[in-house]
Amino acid sequence: AQKITQTQPGMFVQEKEAVTLDCTYDTSDPSYGLFWYKQPSSGEMIFLIYQGSYDQQNATEGRYSLNFQKARKSANLVISASQLGDSAMYFCAMSPGSARQLTFGSGTQLTVLP
Amino acid sequence: DAMVIQNPRYQVTQFGKPVTLSCSQTLNHNVMYWYQQKSSQAPKLLFHYYDKDFNNEADTPDNFQSRRPNTSFCFLDIRSPGLGDAAMYLCATSRGLGGEADTQYFGPGTRLTVL
Repeated sequence: AQKITQTQPGMFVQEKEAVTLDCTYDTSDPSYGLFWYKQPSSGEMIFLIYQGSYDQQNATEGRYSLNFQKARKSANLVISASQLGDSAMYFCAMSPGSARQLTFGSGTQLTVLP
Repeated sequence: DAMVIQNPRYQVTQFGKPVTLSCSQTLNHNVMYWYQQKSSQAPKLLFHYYDKDFNNEADTPDNFQSRRPNTSFCFLDIRSPGLGDAAMYLCATSRGLGGEADTQYFGPGTRLTVL
C-alpha cells in the first residue's frame, strides 16, 4: 500500500519569499511517480509538477521545483518568489508504476501575506 | 485549449432524488476518473474508466454509478443522494500510458448540495 504524509496543515509566507512544503511517502513499488497539485478556493485541482522515481534530476517548472530525496522518501515542493495568487491548498500525490490510481496526502493550506 | 469540462458547476438536489453529473474532455485521454472531495479532505477516488473498461474502488457505495458512452464523455449517477453525499465531485483524465503520462488533469468540479 502507498501512503503520502504532509505534516504541515497550514503555512504562512511573506510575498516574494520562498517557501517549502513538505511531503514524505511510503511505497514498496520500485517505480512510481510523484505529483504536486494546487487547489484554490474555487475547487479546481491544478497540476504543478511531476517527478519520476528514476529521474536523476529534480523537476522544475517555472517558480516550482521539487526537492526529491529518494533515500529519505521525501518530495518537497519549493515555491520561489511567492505571489498572493499562490494562496491555496497544496496536495502531494503518488502513483505507483503498476497502477493508475493517485494516492493523495492530506494537504497543506498555504497563505501568502502581503 | 484542450480541457476537462464539468457541468453543472453547482447542483442542488433533494434527498433521495437521482442526480447526474457530467464530464467531458477535449484531451482525447484514455482514462477518466471520478473523485469525491469533502470539505478539508483529500479527493477520494470513486471509479475510473480505461477506455470502456470500468474500474470500481472497493469502498465506493452502490449508490454511485458511472457511464462512459464515448471517449469524450463520462457521467456520474447518484441514484438516491443522502445528506452525506454532499461534496465536491471532481472529474479527471489521463493518457494512462505510465510515468508522466499518468498525470491527471482535473476539471473545475461540481459542488453538490443535498437538501
